[in-house]
Amino acid sequence: QVQLVQSGAEVKKPGSSVKVSCKASGDTFTNYVISWVRQAPGQGLEWMGRITTIVDIAEYAQKFQGRVKISADKSTSTAYMELTSLRSEDTAVYYCARVPHDWGQGTQVTVSS
Amino acid sequence: EIVLTQSPGTLSLSPGDRATLSCRASQSVSSSYLAWYQQTPGQPPRLLIYGASSRATGIPDRFSGSGSGTDFTLTISRLEPEDFALYYCQQYGSSPSFGQGTRVEIK
Repeated sequence: QVQLVQSGAEVKKPGSSVKVSCKASGDTFTNYVISWVRQAPGQGLEWMGRITTIVDIAEYAQKFQGRVKISADKSTSTAYMELTSLRSEDTAVYYCARVPHDWGQGTQVTVSS
Repeated sequence: EIVLTQSPGTLSLSPGDRATLSCRASQSVSSSYLAWYQQTPGQPPRLLIYGASSRATGIPDRFSGSGSGTDFTLTISRLEPEDFALYYCQQYGSSPSFGQGTRVEIK
Protein backbone atom coordinates (compact mmCIF):
# COMPACT_ATOMS: atom_id res chain seq x y z
CA GLN A 1 0.00 0.00 0.00
CA VAL A 2 1.09 3.54 -0.78
CA GLN A 3 0.89 6.36 1.74
CA LEU A 4 0.27 9.88 0.45
CA VAL A 5 0.79 12.76 2.86
CA GLN A 6 -0.28 16.21 1.79
CA SER A 7 0.79 19.66 2.92
CA GLY A 8 -1.26 21.72 5.34
CA ALA A 9 -4.19 24.06 4.95
CA GLU A 10 -3.78 27.29 3.01
CA VAL A 11 -5.60 30.62 3.04
CA LYS A 12 -5.08 32.68 -0.10
CA LYS A 13 -6.22 36.00 -1.55
CA PRO A 14 -8.17 36.15 -4.81
CA GLY A 15 -5.81 36.39 -7.76
CA SER A 16 -2.94 34.63 -5.99
CA SER A 17 -1.61 31.09 -6.44
CA VAL A 18 -1.39 28.02 -4.25
CA LYS A 19 0.94 25.03 -4.46
CA VAL A 20 -0.04 21.84 -2.65
CA SER A 21 2.39 18.98 -2.13
CA CYS A 22 1.83 15.24 -1.86
CA LYS A 23 4.65 13.07 -0.53
CA ALA A 24 4.50 9.38 -1.36
CA SER A 25 5.99 6.38 0.37
CA GLY A 26 5.59 2.63 0.26
CA ASP A 27 6.29 1.88 -3.39
CA THR A 28 8.52 2.96 -6.25
CA PHE A 29 7.50 6.52 -7.08
CA THR A 30 8.21 6.13 -10.76
CA ASN A 31 5.49 3.50 -10.93
CA TYR A 32 2.88 6.10 -10.06
CA VAL A 33 0.22 8.05 -11.80
CA ILE A 34 -0.76 10.76 -9.33
CA SER A 35 -4.10 12.47 -9.80
CA TRP A 36 -5.47 15.60 -8.19
CA VAL A 37 -9.13 15.80 -7.25
CA ARG A 38 -10.96 18.59 -5.50
CA GLN A 39 -14.18 18.85 -3.53
CA ALA A 40 -15.87 22.18 -2.91
CA PRO A 41 -17.98 22.52 0.25
CA GLY A 42 -21.06 20.32 0.01
CA GLN A 43 -20.20 19.35 -3.56
CA GLY A 44 -19.00 16.25 -5.37
CA LEU A 45 -15.57 15.13 -6.49
CA GLU A 46 -13.93 16.88 -9.44
CA TRP A 47 -10.92 15.51 -11.33
CA MET A 48 -8.33 18.17 -12.09
CA GLY A 49 -5.51 16.32 -13.75
CA ARG A 50 -2.76 13.73 -13.32
CA ILE A 51 0.89 13.09 -13.89
CA THR A 52 2.57 9.92 -15.06
CA THR A 53 5.77 10.14 -13.08
CA ILE A 54 7.87 7.72 -15.10
CA VAL A 55 7.69 9.98 -18.16
CA ASP A 56 6.86 13.22 -16.34
CA ILE A 57 3.84 13.89 -18.53
CA ALA A 58 0.84 15.70 -17.11
CA GLU A 59 -2.67 15.96 -18.47
CA TYR A 60 -5.38 18.28 -17.28
CA ALA A 61 -9.15 18.55 -17.23
CA GLN A 62 -10.27 21.04 -19.81
CA LYS A 63 -11.85 23.19 -17.10
CA PHE A 64 -8.45 23.84 -15.51
CA GLN A 65 -6.28 24.09 -18.62
CA GLY A 66 -3.96 27.06 -18.37
CA ARG A 67 -4.57 27.56 -14.66
CA VAL A 68 -3.18 24.38 -13.12
CA LYS A 69 0.23 22.81 -13.22
CA ILE A 70 0.97 19.32 -11.90
CA SER A 71 4.56 18.30 -11.41
CA ALA A 72 6.63 15.67 -9.65
CA ASP A 73 10.03 15.50 -8.01
CA LYS A 74 11.31 11.94 -8.22
CA SER A 75 14.22 12.66 -5.87
CA THR A 76 11.79 13.34 -3.01
CA SER A 77 8.84 11.20 -4.18
CA THR A 78 6.67 14.29 -4.07
CA ALA A 79 3.98 15.49 -6.44
CA TYR A 80 2.75 19.06 -6.64
CA MET A 81 -0.36 20.83 -7.82
CA GLU A 82 -0.21 24.57 -8.43
CA LEU A 83 -3.39 26.51 -9.13
CA THR A 84 -3.16 30.13 -10.23
CA SER A 85 -5.54 33.09 -10.52
CA LEU A 86 -7.46 31.87 -7.50
CA ARG A 87 -11.06 32.89 -6.99
CA SER A 88 -13.55 32.19 -4.23
CA GLU A 89 -14.98 29.25 -6.17
CA ASP A 90 -11.62 27.48 -5.79
CA THR A 91 -12.25 27.10 -2.06
CA ALA A 92 -12.21 23.34 -1.65
CA VAL A 93 -10.44 20.34 -0.23
CA TYR A 94 -7.76 19.19 -2.66
CA TYR A 95 -6.79 15.52 -2.73
CA CYS A 96 -3.91 13.73 -4.36
CA ALA A 97 -4.50 10.11 -5.20
CA ARG A 98 -2.98 7.12 -6.84
CA VAL A 99 -6.32 6.38 -8.37
CA PRO A 100 -8.16 4.33 -7.49
CA HIS A 101 -6.42 2.74 -4.54
CA ASP A 102 -4.64 5.31 -2.44
CA TRP A 103 -5.64 8.82 -1.39
CA GLY A 104 -4.02 11.60 0.56
CA GLN A 105 -5.72 13.09 3.56
CA GLY A 106 -6.77 16.25 1.73
CA THR A 107 -5.64 19.87 1.92
CA GLN A 108 -8.12 22.65 2.65
CA VAL A 109 -7.57 25.67 0.43
CA THR A 110 -9.60 28.75 1.30
CA VAL A 111 -9.71 31.73 -1.04
CA SER A 112 -10.91 34.85 0.69
CA SER A 113 -10.20 38.53 0.65
CA GLU B 1 -15.53 13.91 -21.93
CA ILE B 2 -17.40 10.97 -20.43
CA VAL B 3 -20.29 12.09 -18.23
CA LEU B 4 -21.30 9.71 -15.44
CA THR B 5 -24.86 9.96 -14.14
CA GLN B 6 -25.64 8.29 -10.82
CA SER B 7 -29.12 7.37 -9.72
CA PRO B 8 -30.96 7.77 -7.55
CA GLY B 9 -29.68 10.95 -5.97
CA THR B 10 -30.80 9.75 -2.56
CA LEU B 11 -31.71 6.27 -1.39
CA SER B 12 -33.72 6.00 1.84
CA LEU B 13 -33.41 2.53 3.32
CA SER B 14 -33.31 0.69 6.63
CA PRO B 15 -30.48 -1.36 8.12
CA GLY B 16 -30.64 -4.86 6.68
CA ASP B 17 -32.08 -3.65 3.37
CA ARG B 18 -30.47 -4.20 -0.01
CA ALA B 19 -29.13 -1.10 -1.77
CA THR B 20 -28.73 -0.86 -5.53
CA LEU B 21 -26.87 2.15 -6.91
CA SER B 22 -26.60 2.90 -10.61
CA CYS B 23 -23.89 4.66 -12.64
CA ARG B 24 -24.58 5.32 -16.32
CA ALA B 25 -21.94 6.62 -18.70
CA SER B 26 -22.50 8.87 -21.71
CA GLN B 27 -20.22 6.59 -23.73
CA SER B 28 -18.67 3.20 -23.24
CA VAL B 29 -16.23 2.87 -20.35
CA SER B 30 -13.58 0.18 -20.09
CA SER B 31 -14.58 -2.04 -17.19
CA SER B 32 -10.96 -2.09 -16.14
CA TYR B 33 -11.25 1.56 -15.18
CA LEU B 34 -14.52 1.88 -13.27
CA ALA B 35 -14.41 2.39 -9.51
CA TRP B 36 -16.84 2.93 -6.68
CA TYR B 37 -16.03 4.93 -3.55
CA GLN B 38 -17.68 5.57 -0.21
CA GLN B 39 -17.25 8.93 1.46
CA THR B 40 -18.16 10.08 4.95
CA PRO B 41 -17.95 13.67 6.20
CA GLY B 42 -14.44 15.03 6.55
CA GLN B 43 -12.81 11.95 5.05
CA PRO B 44 -11.23 11.21 1.69
CA PRO B 45 -13.02 8.76 -0.57
CA ARG B 46 -12.60 5.13 0.42
CA LEU B 47 -12.19 2.70 -2.46
CA LEU B 48 -14.79 -0.07 -2.47
CA ILE B 49 -14.67 -1.54 -5.97
CA TYR B 50 -12.22 -1.20 -8.85
CA GLY B 51 -12.22 -2.72 -12.30
CA ALA B 52 -16.03 -2.60 -12.06
CA SER B 53 -16.25 -5.75 -9.92
CA SER B 54 -13.09 -6.30 -7.84
CA ARG B 55 -13.40 -5.56 -4.13
CA ALA B 56 -10.64 -3.48 -2.64
CA THR B 57 -8.57 -4.81 0.24
CA GLY B 58 -10.55 -5.06 3.45
CA ILE B 59 -13.94 -4.35 1.91
CA PRO B 60 -16.71 -6.63 3.23
CA ASP B 61 -18.29 -9.03 0.77
CA ARG B 62 -21.70 -7.38 1.19
CA PHE B 63 -20.36 -4.83 -1.35
CA SER B 64 -20.35 -5.97 -4.96
CA GLY B 65 -19.97 -4.29 -8.31
CA SER B 66 -21.17 -5.30 -11.74
CA GLY B 67 -21.78 -3.98 -15.21
CA SER B 68 -20.03 -3.14 -18.44
CA GLY B 69 -20.14 -0.70 -21.32
CA THR B 70 -22.30 2.20 -20.15
CA ASP B 71 -24.19 0.67 -17.20
CA PHE B 72 -22.63 -0.17 -13.86
CA THR B 73 -24.13 -1.10 -10.50
CA LEU B 74 -22.96 -1.11 -6.91
CA THR B 75 -24.94 -3.43 -4.66
CA ILE B 76 -24.85 -3.53 -0.87
CA SER B 77 -26.54 -6.77 0.05
CA ARG B 78 -27.50 -5.95 3.65
CA LEU B 79 -26.98 -2.43 4.90
CA GLU B 80 -25.04 -2.01 8.12
CA PRO B 81 -25.27 1.23 10.14
CA GLU B 82 -21.83 2.32 8.91
CA ASP B 83 -22.91 2.01 5.26
CA PHE B 84 -25.11 5.10 5.37
CA ALA B 85 -22.88 7.49 3.47
CA LEU B 86 -22.20 9.07 0.08
CA TYR B 87 -21.18 6.89 -2.86
CA TYR B 88 -19.40 7.95 -6.04
CA CYS B 89 -18.53 6.14 -9.24
CA GLN B 90 -15.48 7.14 -11.25
CA GLN B 91 -14.09 6.21 -14.63
CA TYR B 92 -10.33 6.58 -14.54
CA GLY B 93 -9.36 5.77 -18.10
CA SER B 94 -9.12 8.56 -20.61
CA SER B 95 -9.95 11.98 -19.14
CA PRO B 96 -11.27 10.70 -15.80
CA SER B 97 -14.58 11.82 -14.36
CA PHE B 98 -16.85 11.22 -11.38
CA GLY B 99 -20.55 10.77 -11.02
CA GLN B 100 -22.40 13.33 -8.92
CA GLY B 101 -22.94 10.88 -6.07
CA THR B 102 -25.73 8.91 -4.40
CA ARG B 103 -26.54 9.48 -0.76
CA VAL B 104 -27.69 6.41 1.16
CA GLU B 105 -29.66 7.62 4.16
CA ILE B 106 -31.51 5.94 7.00
CA LYS B 107 -35.24 5.69 6.39
